[in-house]
Amino acid sequence: EDQVTQSPEALRLQEGESSSLNCSYTVSGLRGLFWYRQDPGKGPEFLFTLYSAGEEKEKERLKATLTKKESFLHITAPKPEDSATYLCAVQGQSSRLTFGEGTQLTVNP
Amino acid sequence: SAVISQKPSRDICQRGTSLTIQCQVDSQVTMMFWYRQQPGQSLTLIATANQGSEATYESGFVIDKFPISRPNLTFSTLTVSNMSPEDSSIYLCSVERGAGETQYFGPGTRLLVL
Repeated sequence: EDQVTQSPEALRLQEGESSSLNCSYTVSGLRGLFWYRQDPGKGPEFLFTLYSAGEEKEKERLKATLTKKESFLHITAPKPEDSATYLCAVQGQSSRLTFGEGTQLTVNP
Repeated sequence: SAVISQKPSRDICQRGTSLTIQCQVDSQVTMMFWYRQQPGQSLTLIATANQGSEATYESGFVIDKFPISRPNLTFSTLTVSNMSPEDSSIYLCSVERGAGETQYFGPGTRLLVL
């Protein structure tokens, strides 16, 4: 059974204070690891897909990396508008997505 | 990406009634899915909506409780039947253009059952 664990559950940062979110996973035959951002009352918004260990992707202040057991979402110099819940999901051989519980990020001005 | 709309965006329903949620995509997609997100929790897959055939349900979800239709490649409905307060959740539709590709999510339907 595919499993995803995200840490920390909640993170408070000051504006400009860089940090990382962790996503640990076990999956039978990784087809893709996905990061989404979810704002309150809205559906998840796609951020990144990573397919193999060593892969990295960047978008503005966000950078996602992948190893064989975990993925990190690095946030550099965050702004208050980066406040959201960040969700990690894996897709294995079954093709279905398995989501973690998410990290609720708050960036204070 | 894909532009996905859901109707209604929110509803308050009485115990024992049913609600049908619609999901419309702006272009044809291969795969459509329905998820539930209970308060304070992450997403749980309910079923895969198959075009022209019966939906494929995940463990713990049954067709009598969550009947699904998918009449074409851009539209699907999820019905939440004989509702109870435990059904209060956000229901989300997602799509994949091709099998195994990135899933994009709709805005969700926020359901409160009294």
